[in-house]
Amino acid sequence: DAGVIQSPRHEVTEMGQEVTLRCKPISGHDYLFWYRQTMMRGLELLIYFNNNVPIDDSGMPEDRFSAKMPNASFSTLKIQPSEPRDSAVYFCASSSRTALNYGYTFGSGTRLTVV
Amino acid sequence: AQKVTQAQTEISVVEKEDVTLDCVYETRDTTYYLFWYKQPPSGELVFLIRRNSFDEQNEISGRYSWNFQKSTSSFNFTITASQVVDSAVYFCALANSNSGYALNFGKGTSLLVTP
Repeated sequence: DAGVIQSPRHEVTEMGQEVTLRCKPISGHDYLFWYRQTMMRGLELLIYFNNNVPIDDSGMPEDRFSAKMPNASFSTLKIQPSEPRDSAVYFCASSSRTALNYGYTFGSGTRLTVV
Repeated sequence: AQKVTQAQTEISVVEKEDVTLDCVYETRDTTYYLFWYKQPPSGELVFLIRRNSFDEQNEISGRYSWNFQKSTSSFNFTITASQVVDSAVYFCALANSNSGYALNFGKGTSLLVTP
């Protein structure tokens, strides 16, 4: 199993540009989570999906952020327009009830820098 | 509301010393899950352990051990005979079914093990 795959690993963009982060969860996992990590706020849950349906997006900072999961094998997190304060590491994680014993599998993260 | 507190921001020890990382949690749920993750300098999040609220049995895995005490709402992590490779940020996290098992992380404890 290749694990949770995130792309790109690094993204540098200019303020105002649209940014799309991608995630491929582990096959068979029915939960998908997007987290953001910053020095100030630590690891924050942005949104999570169950069976491709967004369940809780209360952590999405503002309307500039949106996330989709069109199918069980792909999810995107989009920021439009991006701002310097969005600079962070964004992690995707997947899990399932049966996999819970083994924790959540996190991707390697996308380090976003908005200049 | 759920909350995880890791009061120790940074810890520095000399190799071979034992070190305990503290984790205190708050939840109103009777069924919940506690986790520890390791984030080495490379940045990935590595699952270490999961504990159910109804299983207070302590666990040992090699040099790692975990002490779960519901009476004090604590889930502490001890590294015995620390090694330089243990240097990382360690996160304690809490999850329950009401939040779709989304992980609620503490702020993390940065552990530095020097030779």
